[in-house]
Amino acid sequence: AQSVTQPDIHITVSEGASLELRCNYSYGATPYLFWYVQSPGQGLQLLLKYFSGDTLVQGIKGFEAEFKRSQSSFNLRKPSVHWSDAAEYFCAVASTDSWGKLQFGAGTQVVVTP
Amino acid sequence: GAGVSQSPSNKVTEKGKDVELRCDPISGHTALYWYRQRLGQGLEFLIYFQGNSAPDKSGLPSDRFSAERTGESVSTLTIQRTQQEDSAVYLCASSLESSANTGELFFGEGSRLTVL
Repeated sequence: AQSVTQPDIHITVSEGASLELRCNYSYGATPYLFWYVQSPGQGLQLLLKYFSGDTLVQGIKGFEAEFKRSQSSFNLRKPSVHWSDAAEYFCAVASTDSWGKLQFGAGTQVVVTP
Repeated sequence: GAGVSQSPSNKVTEKGKDVELRCDPISGHTALYWYRQRLGQGLEFLIYFQGNSAPDKSGLPSDRFSAERTGESVSTLTIQRTQQEDSAVYLCASSLESSANTGELFFGEGSRLTVL
């Protein structure tokens, strides 16, 4: 069965520290991979995506993610977090023939402390 | 506005009543999606409209759920005989058909449904 796992429900990080959010997937073939962010009072926003090519993907707001086929992972990273990065982060996958029909992980809530 | 607009933003209803949720996609976006987000969970795909093609209804959880879209504009999601487990935030998203290359869905802020 297809699934997306975000092992960390909640992460607390100090402002200026690095952040890594984990995402593992189980899929029949290499899917399209996405990270979305949901900030309070706002809709979901696409941070970055992987379709093919370079396995290190750069996104908005200083985020990057690395696709590792051997580990079925697509972890999100940011070298130095800002207070405005406090939000919920969702990893998602989709088949290559229906990219908008996303299967989401349960999300990771990120809290940023001063 | 320039974004995806959903209404109502909040809806409280009694068990057994019918509800309608509305989505106005971004002008020119041919694809429209409905998702459901239960408390503390990720989003679940419900239904997908693409132009004049038959909608992909594979995510609808029961026959109490239905959705319509008029051309490439407004969509309504209808839930009949609501149950408490229908309580969730219902999110609408739209995209350009061609944005398979950009891969971006544009989400509205959602309609929060509470069934008492």
